[in-house]
Amino acid sequence: RKEVEQDPGPFNVPEGATVAFNCTYSNSASQSFFWYRQDCRKEPKLLMSVYSSGNEDGRFTAQLNRASQYISLLIRDSKLSDSATYLCVVNSAGKSTFGDGTTLTVKP
Amino acid sequence: NAGVTQTPKFRILKIGQSMTLQCTQDMNHNYMYWYRQDPGMGLKLIYYSVGAGITDKGEVPNGYNVSRSTTEDFPLRLELAAPSQTSVYFCASSWGLAGGRYEQYFGPGTRLTVT
Repeated sequence: RKEVEQDPGPFNVPEGATVAFNCTYSNSASQSFFWYRQDCRKEPKLLMSVYSSGNEDGRFTAQLNRASQYISLLIRDSKLSDSATYLCVVNSAGKSTFGDGTTLTVKP
Repeated sequence: NAGVTQTPKFRILKIGQSMTLQCTQDMNHNYMYWYRQDPGMGLKLIYYSVGAGITDKGEVPNGYNVSRSTTEDFPLRLELAAPSQTSVYFCASSWGLAGGRYEQYFGPGTRLTVT
């Protein structure tokens, strides 16, 4: 079993749709959680950290469930520019493990 | 701030050649990382460093070496290049334990082809 597993995708949604990604992790000692965005042939960029109480940044909402060991990312009112691969990242003792990513395509 | 810079951007190597991928960060981050990303796949950790003089293996260290003589620089050395090392290599840095922050900032990557 992989340490970090994400929805296989791809997700193809129309503009304006709401889409949710889930990610599960196996190390219960994990301390920090993040969502990154990666555009084609580019480096990953931090989208948002994920806090225990849940957090929101504009159209993006991240949730953490430590008991069930999963994190989620909700994107509301999808834009064409949201098309990218979204990477779930789990950090334990300074070492980060990346999920394989879920590809989102937002269509007009 | 330039952030994390990597050189070269592209490189083609012949089998058996060696090269060093350069990585420099100007954010005074303690932690630095090297990843590789094969086409359509996720990132795999090659090596990481929690500070100058300290390095440790990641998930896929075979065929690579690193050193960390300064806070800013974290070069990755490929010895005896093999076709299996064809990949995109990303360097990243973060504050780490001292800053209590582990979000990573990535360089633009080096696209390496071994033929």
